[in-house]
Amino acid sequence: GDSVTQTEGLVTLTEGLPVMLNCTYQTIYSNPFLFWYVQHLNESPRLLLKSFTDNKRTEHQGFHATLHKSSSSFHLQKSSAQLSDSALYYCALDQGGRALIFGTGTTVSVSP
Amino acid sequence: DMKVTQMPRYLIKRMGENVLLECGQDMSHETMYWYRQDPGLGLQLIYISYDVDSNSEGDIPKGYRVSRKKREHFSLILDSAKTNQTSVYFCASSFTGTFNERLFFGHGTKLSVL
Repeated sequence: GDSVTQTEGLVTLTEGLPVMLNCTYQTIYSNPFLFWYVQHLNESPRLLLKSFTDNKRTEHQGFHATLHKSSSSFHLQKSSAQLSDSALYYCALDQGGRALIFGTGTTVSVSP
Repeated sequence: DMKVTQMPRYLIKRMGENVLLECGQDMSHETMYWYRQDPGLGLQLIYISYDVDSNSEGDIPKGYRVSRKKREHFSLILDSAKTNQTSVYFCASSFTGTFNERLFFGHGTKLSVL
């Protein structure tokens, strides 16, 4: 079945350094939608960005991701981490219009 | 104001007791969802509802049932709660449930089953 893999459970880094969170997926659908959701402490998950188009960079709030169908990847990146980026990040895959399937999440901890 | 509201925010129950988690949305969304969130497991889909009395099992439905009698309300019921159902439960909604749609999440209910 469809699945989403996030390999890092916890990423710790210093403010100002770049961030990259890995996301790979498996799906039978040739045109998947991929999403990144972010959840700050004691808050609910909210959409950060999404993509449908192969090899096109999508940006929002300083983060960017590019869907690469050839490698089934949708990695999230930011050039310079801020303290406020500390949160739990989920990669998610649309299950052909049924419901989103989420990865296990990556916790990002940014320190001064 | 686009909002998904969950009640209660925190709940402590004893094993074997019945549990009712309530969710409401004010966006007239057709589709609503119940997810549970556990460390290391992420968000797992329990049930999805496409509209009133049109519910479908998600990936982990065992031990849960749902009720949707009005479009704006979606309830999750645990009959005879078990300790392994201790978790944070999130309700979400989307306009039609078709792909590409953003999910709106409630703030979650933290359930502890002792």
